Amino acid sequence: GDSVTQMEGPVTLSEEACLTINCTYTATGYPSLFWYVQYPGEGLQLLLKATKADDKGSNKGFEATYRKETTSFHLEKGSVQVSDSAVYFCALSDAGFNKFYFGSGTKLNVKP
Amino acid sequence: DARVTQTPRHKVTEMGQEVTMRCQPILGHNTVFWYRQTMMQGLELLAYFRNRAPLDDSGMPKDRFSAEMPDATLATLKIQPSEPRDSAVYFCASGFQGASGNTIYFGEGSWLTVV
Repeated sequence: GDSVTQMEGPVTLSEEACLTINCTYTATGYPSLFWYVQYPGEGLQLLLKATKADDKGSNKGFEATYRKETTSFHLEKGSVQVSDSAVYFCALSDAGFNKFYFGSGTKLNVKP
Repeated sequence: DARVTQTPRHKVTEMGQEVTMRCQPILGHNTVFWYRQTMMQGLELLAYFRNRAPLDDSGMPKDRFSAEMPDATLATLKIQPSEPRDSAVYFCASGFQGASGNTIYFGEGSWLTVV
């Protein structure tokens, strides 16, 4: 069945460092791919998405490119801030929107 | 600013009591998901509805959990009787299948503690 695998955390970085959180997926057909972010005590918020191969989603300095050849959707940011500290979830929606699959989440800690 | 609304935000209850959590999906969304989040299990899909009909509730313990959508503006998740192991954050999310891709939006969650 469809699934999402993302790198284990926590990831600890200094402010202004580069961030990459790896995400790979398994799916039949043509899924849509997402990154959600969860701040402490809050629900998950949509960060960015991509709906077809080679699409790049971007928001708030974060980017991810839908790579069908490597079945990946890695999250990147060139310079992280303390305020980016949160848990990041990679997710996949099957083509029929019958299921929404989440990765296990990666906690990011950014130190001043 | 459209949002998914969940009530209650926080609930502390005694073991054996009935708990009902409510969700108002975003107007126009036809798909509603219920998730449970714990430190140990992460995000678990409990049930989801399309056009108010249950499509999959295989993730839900059937003996004590039930989920319904009495109308398009209300989804409910009920636990009866509650147990300490049900302590978790319960999230409702709603979405639609559109040209810009299938996207779901989460509420703030209902934080349940069963003592």
